[in-house]
Amino acid sequence: NAGVMQNPRHLVRRRGQEARLRCSPMKGHSHVYWYRQLPEEGLKFMVYLQKENIIDESGMPKERFSAEFPKEGPSILRIQQVVRGDSAAYFCASSPPEESWGYTFGSGTRLTVV
Amino acid sequence: AQSVAQPEDQVNVAEGNPLTVKCTYSVSGNPYLFWYVQYPNRGLQFLLKYITGDNLVKGSYGFEAEFNKSQTSFHLKKPSALVSDSALYFCAVSLNTGGFKTIFGAGTRLFVKA
Repeated sequence: NAGVMQNPRHLVRRRGQEARLRCSPMKGHSHVYWYRQLPEEGLKFMVYLQKENIIDESGMPKERFSAEFPKEGPSILRIQQVVRGDSAAYFCASSPPEESWGYTFGSGTRLTVV
Repeated sequence: AQSVAQPEDQVNVAEGNPLTVKCTYSVSGNPYLFWYVQYPNRGLQFLLKYITGDNLVKGSYGFEAEFNKSQTSFHLKKPSALVSDSALYFCAVSLNTGGFKTIFGAGTRLFVKA
């Protein structure tokens, strides 16, 4: 049973480009969460999704950031027109519906904007 | 609003000595409390949780934590530290609001010296 898979592990984008980060939850997990970790800082909640629904996006910046978790396929965190301040590690976690507090984390995507 | 405080940015202990990493929380309702550990360039690994029951919970790698409702604390402890315990430790609190959103503390870096 594979864990939470995030890809790519490392992503380099020039300012103004788009970044797409993918997260495949564990089998049987229908809840997905995205967190951002800036250098030497803790994890900041961004968004909580269930299949085809955004449950809580209170941590998402109002512009340029969007997330989806379609019926089929991975969850996608999309950052448009990236800026240097978007450089961070982005972690995805998933949990099963019967124990939705039981997070399993992926290894993260490290985004560098140059 | 729920919040988690880890008052120490860094904790230094000698190998073989007991260690404590502090955490206090603020929630309305019954919290679910967690400790996670992060090694360099890795995702978060679950250590232990408190949901209900005995206030002293035991987790992975010899760690334990005590839930203290009156002091709203959930300190992480280990009787005898190892150099390999050196890592970044996160306390987290989750509340059931129709789904669980977990909020993380800022993290405490633990250094264990040989």
